Amino acid sequence: QVQLQESGPGLVKPSETLSLTCSVSDGSISSYYWSWIRQPPGKGLEWIGYIYYSGSTNYNPSLKSRVTISVDTSKNQLSLKLNSVTAADTAVYYCARLRVVPYYFDYWGQGTLVTVSS
Amino acid sequence: DIQMTQSPSSLSASVRDRVTITCRASQSISTYLNWYQQKPGKAPKLLIYAASNLQSGVPSRFSASGSGTDFTLTISSLQPEDFATYYCQQSYSPPFTFGPGTKMDIK
Repeated sequence: QVQLQESGPGLVKPSETLSLTCSVSDGSISSYYWSWIRQPPGKGLEWIGYIYYSGSTNYNPSLKSRVTISVDTSKNQLSLKLNSVTAADTAVYYCARLRVVPYYFDYWGQGTLVTVSS
Repeated sequence: DIQMTQSPSSLSASVRDRVTITCRASQSISTYLNWYQQKPGKAPKLLIYAASNLQSGVPSRFSASGSGTDFTLTISSLQPEDFATYYCQQSYSPPFTFGPGTKMDIK
């Protein structure tokens, strides 16, 4: 079955850019939608956005001005960039596969904690 | 954005208890409602999609129903591995939003 693995720096300085990669294995990234979701420590889940393998995207308006999600089908990876980060962006970041019509997240990565601190 | 609420926010229950969690949407979302289970330090796991469809591999003691704005998740006979936090999530329209969670622990 599909496996997802997030990777990237665990510590980012305020005002800098958070960059994460999600590697998809045991399945192709093609023909599916993929999402990023985050969870601040001890808090609930926030959807960041999704991307179709072709590159079309949809972002949460609350983060839209700072977020870019991209996909590299040759590497079977998707990426997240969040710029101008603050302490409020400290969270566990998950990538997940999004099934459509109906929409639901059926496979999730284990998550990676990103702390924003100087 | 569609706001999701859940009740109760926490509950204590015993093994073999029957428990029900409620989720409410701020507007009608038809049956575009999913349920997830999350254990400490782990990613959420899909239990139910489209309000009442059991995800493959999920035990049949989990069931769910609802449409419009009101939804329920029921566990017919709690097992030790069911003690976790449960989230509902609307997929009617982006931005997809989650409920605040219901934390279930052992009485």
